[in-house]
Amino acid sequence: QVHLVQSGSELKKPGASVRVSCKASGYTFTTYAINWVRQAPGQGLEWMGWINTNTGNPTYAQGFTGRFVFSLDTSVSSAYLQISNLKPQDTAVYYCARELPSYSNSRGTWLDPWGPGTLVTVSS
Amino acid sequence: QSVLTQPPSASGTPGQRVTISCSGSTSNIGGSSVNWYQHLPGTAPKLLIYDNSQRPSGVPDRFSGSKSGTSASLAISGLQSEDDADYYCAAWDDSLNGRVFGGGTKLTVL
Repeated sequence: QVHLVQSGSELKKPGASVRVSCKASGYTFTTYAINWVRQAPGQGLEWMGWINTNTGNPTYAQGFTGRFVFSLDTSVSSAYLQISNLKPQDTAVYYCARELPSYSNSRGTWLDPWGPGTLVTVSS
Repeated sequence: QSVLTQPPSASGTPGQRVTISCSGSTSNIGGSSVNWYQHLPGTAPKLLIYDNSQRPSGVPDRFSGSKSGTSASLAISGLQSEDDADYYCAAWDDSLNGRVFGGGTKLTVL
């Protein structure tokens, strides 16, 4: 079975950094892109961008440039989201998700499965 | 303000049929396939419908999706208590060059 397992909840102070991991199993990691999605408290889902697991090339959505970095370690089938200079408004659940079909036209793609999410809380 | 517009809430009684709408524009729904996700708080969102109307393996045929022009809809027939969840539509937006979600619809099974 295809699974995405994410790292546990984090409590950070403003200005700190955090790295969220997303480990894939049950398929060839480099066959499918990984997307990242954020859900702030009481809010809906917000797409953050995606990373090409073949080339490592990241693409960031508007509003997620600068402090947000997507990376990979293909040797352990894992994707990472690093957020630097954390702000209280970064408090959210962060999800990774596999994109299907494999490297197709974006207009015809979907996300499946999703990881369970990682809660990042930023508070002094 | 989400790019795709959904009603914030919907409700129905067990056995009823409910429909959730998703309105967009030519830059997203009009030129892209629409997907629907079911999200129960504290769990991973689940793909419900892909490519406008296709159901992944394991999704009951009580769930159906359709698209017309710049709008899409999700229909749930034979409503069950376990359908009580948040539902999100999603599509690709060419103007934003990114994936966009609706604001979500909270479905309450009365």
